[in-house]
Amino acid sequence: AQSVSQHNHHVILSEAASLELGCNYSYGGTVNLFWYVQYPGQHLQLLLKYFSGDPLVKGIKGFEAEFIKSKFSFNLRKPSVQWSDTAEYFCAVNQYNNNDMRFGAGTRLTVKP
Amino acid sequence: NAGVTQTPKFQVLKTGQSMTLQCAQDMNHNSMYWYRQDPGMGLRLIYYSASEGTTDKGEVPNGYNVSRLNKREFSLRLESAAPSQTSVYFCASKETGTTYEQYFGPGTRLTVT
Repeated sequence: AQSVSQHNHHVILSEAASLELGCNYSYGGTVNLFWYVQYPGQHLQLLLKYFSGDPLVKGIKGFEAEFIKSKFSFNLRKPSVQWSDTAEYFCAVNQYNNNDMRFGAGTRLTVKP
Repeated sequence: NAGVTQTPKFQVLKTGQSMTLQCAQDMNHNSMYWYRQDPGMGLRLIYYSASEGTTDKGEVPNGYNVSRLNKREFSLRLESAAPSQTSVYFCASKETGTTYEQYFGPGTRLTVT
């Protein structure tokens, strides 16, 4: 079955540490890829997206993600996290010309001050 | 411009009761979605509507029905609520085309006792 996998359920970091959250998908063909963030008590909002071009995409708040087609991966990175990055992060995928958007299980990030 | 709105914010039901969750968007989007969010499982797609007058099943449609009342509104109905439907429900909308991101509502927290 087609799926989106996020490897880390809960990541705990200290401020200024570097972050990498994994995302793999099993869809074939052309895909569009998204990372969303859900801050405590808030609804989901877009961090960044990739649909074509440069596989390294930059989003808001210093986040970036790299699409590696051969590995079916779209990992999220940030060089130096802040306490305010504490949130849950979701990877999402849809196939080209398909409105059915699927999400990973999410990774909860806790940043210690 | 309110974005995506959902009512109610909270609801407690007894097993077997029915209710309808309402969603409306004012961004003139064609596509609308209903997800449920459960701990450790991320967001799972219940139903979506690619355009007014059409609806399609997602990953977990059993126990739910939807109505795309018009372009703005997409409702989710639980005919006979079960404890397994205790969850947080999110509505989302987006432009037609798979490169566009979804915009989410604030969610409805439903408890079925």
